Amino acid sequence: KAGVTQTPRYLIKTRGQQVTLSCSPISGHRSVSWYQQTPGQGLQFLFEYFSETQRNKGNFPGRFSGRQFSNSRSEMNVSTLELGDSALYLCASSSGTVSSGNTIYFGEGSWLTVV
Amino acid sequence: AQSVTQLDSQVPVFEEAPVELRCNYSSSVSVYLFWYVQYPNQGLQLLLKYLSGSTLVKGINGFEAEFNKSQTSFHLRKPSVHISDTAEYFCAVSGGSNYKLTFGKGTLLTVNP
Repeated sequence: KAGVTQTPRYLIKTRGQQVTLSCSPISGHRSVSWYQQTPGQGLQFLFEYFSETQRNKGNFPGRFSGRQFSNSRSEMNVSTLELGDSALYLCASSSGTVSSGNTIYFGEGSWLTVV
Repeated sequence: AQSVTQLDSQVPVFEEAPVELRCNYSSSVSVYLFWYVQYPNQGLQLLLKYLSGSTLVKGINGFEAEFNKSQTSFHLRKPSVHISDTAEYFCAVSGGSNYKLTFGKGTLLTVNP
């Protein structure tokens, strides 16, 4: 079974630009969540989607948004990029809710550098 | 709210030595506990998880962890490490109304020859 696939793996953007990251979950998984990883803040939850609906959102500004398609694939978008948005963005998928103890499986991440 | 504290940010050990990576959690409800490993330039890979039942959990690559409710700990152990175990290890908690995984800051395990 293929794992969580994220594209692109690496990208460099300029301040003020926007970026879209893509995620294909494990086949059959309907829950997709996104995390941001930085050296200073560690791993922080961005949002979670289930059946095309955003179920939960972390404490990030409105510049961070996402969506999920009918085939469970997900995208996240960051508008008006700031230097502090430089991070590893990790997508994860799960067959059920995290609060019920379901395991979430991570992709290899998208490295975003804002210059 | 749930929280996780990984007591050591870095743990250097020699090859074939035993290692323990410490994790303490805080939660007012029953928890589910996880250990993930992150190799350089990669995502997170699940090592093991505790949901219920036996407090000693065995995972991949020879790792095991013990859930201790009274001490609110979930320490990760391996009796003999290899160079290839060099990576960052994250402890995480979920459960109750927590809809996300809450991670610790990570422990960088460096195995030296």
